[in-house]
Amino acid sequence: DAGITQSPRHKVTETGTPVTLRCHQTENHRYMYWYRQDPGHGLRLIHYSYGVKDTDKGEVSDGYSVSRSKTEDFLLTLESATSSQTSVYFCAIGQGQDYGYTFGSGTRLTVV
Amino acid sequence: QKEVEQNSGPLSVPEGAIASLNCTYSDRGSQSFFWYRQYSGKSPELIMSIYSNGDKEDGRFTAQLNKASQYVSLLIRDSQPSDSATYLCAASNSGGGADGLTFGKGTHLIIQP
Repeated sequence: DAGITQSPRHKVTETGTPVTLRCHQTENHRYMYWYRQDPGHGLRLIHYSYGVKDTDKGEVSDGYSVSRSKTEDFLLTLESATSSQTSVYFCAIGQGQDYGYTFGSGTRLTVV
Repeated sequence: QKEVEQNSGPLSVPEGAIASLNCTYSDRGSQSFFWYRQYSGKSPELIMSIYSNGDKEDGRFTAQLNKASQYVSLLIRDSQPSDSATYLCAASNSGGGADGLTFGKGTHLIIQP
């Protein structure tokens, strides 16, 4: 999607290894979000950021950490990957909740 | 626990007919509402936003909001096979926090040629 890119697009990793997903935006939006999407659960918020170095937990934050050292980059780290973290991960950016979000193309992560 | 409820479907509609998608939300303080379209294997795409009671039209799409009933709907006129997708309803969280939107699980819409 224009203005927001996620990397990698696909990743297979082994149980117990750390994994970092990257979200990069060129829109200079203040708010950035990490969601996971699983069948039967919809989009669930993992972590979000409301500014450089300002982050907070969402509803499914256990086992995940984030960092935002620059406005344009928001990193999601799986400390020690487990099979339950196999999912599609979406990054989203926005100017505030009243404006909706723009989503990245997603990262399909498989933990074996 | 803030919730947005949608019928998961599938909702099957003949080509050219009106598709009607509905959702309800639990947070009475929600002020902004959104409809996203998600094709299989793709990311959600924002198609409509609505903030006031009543109807909002954009091309073949009409969003309807009734805050008293905590009900949001999306009508798609002259449905096309390309409208076949999952439609996600989202509501803003009250309190003005940065945690943003609560999403429903989506309704799978199938337009039959």
